[in-house]
Amino acid sequence: DAGITQSPRYKITETGRQVTLMCHQTWSHSYMFWYRQDLGHGLRLIYYSAAADITDKGEVPDGYVVSRSKTENFPLTLESATRSQTSVYFCAVTGGGNQPQHFGDGTRLSIL
Amino acid sequence: AQSVTQLGSHVSVSEGALVLLRCNYSSSVPPYLFWYVQYPNQGLQLLLKYTTGATLVKGINGFEAEFKKSETSFHLTKPSAHMSDAAEYFCAVSDRETSGSRLTFGEGTQLTVNP
Repeated sequence: DAGITQSPRYKITETGRQVTLMCHQTWSHSYMFWYRQDLGHGLRLIYYSAAADITDKGEVPDGYVVSRSKTENFPLTLESATRSQTSVYFCAVTGGGNQPQHFGDGTRLSIL
Repeated sequence: AQSVTQLGSHVSVSEGALVLLRCNYSSSVPPYLFWYVQYPNQGLQLLLKYTTGATLVKGINGFEAEFKKSETSFHLTKPSAHMSDAAEYFCAVSDRETSGSRLTFGEGTQLTVNP
């Protein structure tokens, strides 16, 4: 039981292309999050979701789109990738309250 | 608004020495506090958390942290460093009154353990 799975683990694409990063959980937790990790910035929240069909912007949402039609999936789409979006992307989930967030292994995205 | 400051982006210790990683937070309401560890090419793994109750919390791998409200601190310690402790460590704060358990992270501290 993997708990939380991100795919792909590595992705190389070109500027202007659309790319979708997938996040899947097996726990049915309510809350899901997308972060990007860049040197010198720690982790920054892109988008989060409190439940299916409920999403909200985080700290750095520009250039990203999310959806959550099913509780277990929370895909992140870059509609027209830019070099500044080269980063490591992490998905996290939690049941809420004082429960900690559990993280996936990340997707390393390079945009040429 | 919440914020987290981790003092020292790089900390180097000798094997067997005390590990002390500093974290100060800012929160307008009582916080939940977390320490995570990240090994190369992996996601973040929870080390320990403070929610309520005892202010000294113990985590995995021999780490512990003490919540000091008067100092707005949540420093992470381990009595004796091991080579396997080399990793990046993140302190995070969550506002218990904010829905969704949103976390604010510090910028991380890279711990090096020298033989």
